[in-house]
Parts: sequence; C-alpha cells; structure tokens
Amino acid sequence: NAGVTQTPKFQVLKTGQSMTLQCAQDMNHNSMYWYRQDPGMGLRLIYYSASEGTTDKGEVPNGYNVSRLNKREFSLRLESAAPSQTSVYFCASSYLWDQETQYFGPGTRLLVL
Amino acid sequence: QQQVKQSPQSLIVQKGGISIINCAYENTAFDYFPWYQQFPGKGPALLIAIRPDVSEKKEGRFTISFNKSAKQFSLHIMDSQPGDSATYFCAASMTSARQLTFGSGTQLTVLP
Repeated sequence: NAGVTQTPKFQVLKTGQSMTLQCAQDMNHNSMYWYRQDPGMGLRLIYYSASEGTTDKGEVPNGYNVSRLNKREFSLRLESAAPSQTSVYFCASSYLWDQETQYFGPGTRLLVL
Repeated sequence: QQQVKQSPQSLIVQKGGISIINCAYENTAFDYFPWYQQFPGKGPALLIAIRPDVSEKKEGRFTISFNKSAKQFSLHIMDSQPGDSATYFCAASMTSARQLTFGSGTQLTVLP
C-alpha cells in the first residue's frame, strides 16, 4: 500500500516549456486534489476532482489544467511554464464522504527558469 | 484574502517545553478545524482535528483549544520533543464546500 505517489520528485523547466505532473493513489479514494506550496503562503488548492469524471477549479487555477484519468490517477499539466509557477506541488486524495481528511503525496519540486 | 491567519511563522522551543501555535479565521461558516504536520521532504499529514461543538480536544501530547466567539483555535504541544520539529499548518473547512483552507504554516524547532 503505497498511499499517494507523485512523479517526478524534482523537475527544472525553462520558461514556456510544458510538463505533466503525475499522481496516483491506491487507497480507493474518490476525491483527488492538487495544491501548490509556497513559502509564507501555506497550501493553496489548484484543482480538485470530487469523483471520477469531474474536475473543478480551486483557489489558483490559472496556468494549469488537470485530467482525472481514472479513479486512481489525477494529473496536473502546465502548458507554458512561467517562473511564477516555481513551487512545490502536492497531490492529495480522500473519500468523497470525508473530503476533510486528506492524504498527501511526497510532493514534486518544480523550478522554472 | 487570507481566510485563515496563522502565527507565529517560526517557533523555537526547548525540549520538554510547551509549543503553542495560533490560528484565526474569518468565515463563520467554517465547521471543521484540522492541524497538519509536515516533515522536511514529506507531504503534510493530518495530526488532530476539532469541530466547534467542543472547546478542546486532546490526543496524547497534542491539544487543540477552540474559541468560537473569538474565531480562534490553537495547537498546544506538551513536553515538546526534537522529533516534533516540523512545519505545522492549521486549516479550516465548511461542510457545504468540504475544501480545506490552509494557514501559512509554522516552522517548529525543538532544541535537544
């Protein structure tokens, strides 16, 4: 039981490049989330998927897209990376009926030059 | 608009001391207040949580105190240990939205 896994662990991009951050969970959770963590800002919700087939914007969705590939996987795509997207990205998951209890992955550290 | 304000930003405590981290919220619709603990290089993990129907919740050395009228809640770590050194985030959510709004985090260092 790996919990929530994220790939890659670290990535360096040049401005304008694109990339996809991958997230998978093996806890049979319905809901999945993408957050970014910046110093002094806490964790801010980018997008979430309450259940398979649905996605919704969070607090800071601009510049990102998501895909809920199946129940296990939820990816985050940066189409044209900008230095302001330098951050640590966390994926989380939860049961639909207990969305307040979230389980986080280890994070992806992204540097955009 | 920062809906959950957390202080202090950093905290240094001697081993055996009490660590206190405070949070204040603005939205009176919030009805669930968890604390998450994050070790370096790891994702946050739920530590303890409280609902506003009680004023205090204790789990081992960790206690949440909740003041509904002041819209404040705090985490107390008794007998702090070096292993408690981590970043702590308070959060809040409401049943209708079920999304967590996080505070800015407190980096706790417990000196041996």
